[in-house]
Amino acid sequence: DTAVSQTPKYLVTQMGNDKSIKCEQNLGHDTMYWYKQDSKKFLKIMFSYNNKELIINETVPNRFSPKSPDKAHLNLHINSLELGDSAVYFCASSQRWSGELFFGEGSRLTVL
Amino acid sequence: QKEVEQNSGPLSVPEGAIASLNCTYSDRGSQSFFWYRQYSGKSPELIMSIYSNGDKEDGRFTAQLNKASQYVSLLIRDSQPSDSATYLCASRNNAGNMLTFGGGTRLMVKP
Repeated sequence: DTAVSQTPKYLVTQMGNDKSIKCEQNLGHDTMYWYKQDSKKFLKIMFSYNNKELIINETVPNRFSPKSPDKAHLNLHINSLELGDSAVYFCASSQRWSGELFFGEGSRLTVL
Repeated sequence: QKEVEQNSGPLSVPEGAIASLNCTYSDRGSQSFFWYRQYSGKSPELIMSIYSNGDKEDGRFTAQLNKASQYVSLLIRDSQPSDSATYLCASRNNAGNMLTFGGGTRLMVKP
């Protein structure tokens, strides 16, 4: 069983479109994250949820809207995609206060 | 903006040598530090954590922390080609709810 699973693994889309990425974890963790990794491998936090409550929103454009229906799921919806949104998006989970993050396999988004 | 900085590399070492990876951080309030390894095309995975000044050893890996100098390092002894990856240093903020990652150092171990 995959501990943290993301779908889809690859998205290729045109500028201006809307896309969603889904994430699920079966580790029983209470905290989930979205990280963005750009072409230079810089891994930057976007959002963090604890027990479905948003606790971190790191100055991400409001075109990005996370949603956590329960503590095992964290989805990311992106409106009006731009070229600069091209990156790998990683979902991760942990127990709160733990620095041990378990990452999903990543979703590579390419905006043309 | 709290930052974690690493030399991007690549750091090239021969098989069997010691690889030394370094990291500095700007947030004096950070108390916990982590090293993640990321193979090309894969997701990061935790390999070491360190919370106190000094050294912490786990197998071939040794993490070192110097809070006065705001410096963290990772030593890999008897480097193997399978250690070739990008190593990401991370610090946890005071509130304990966020990890800030450095840009990573790419390590290449040559047979």
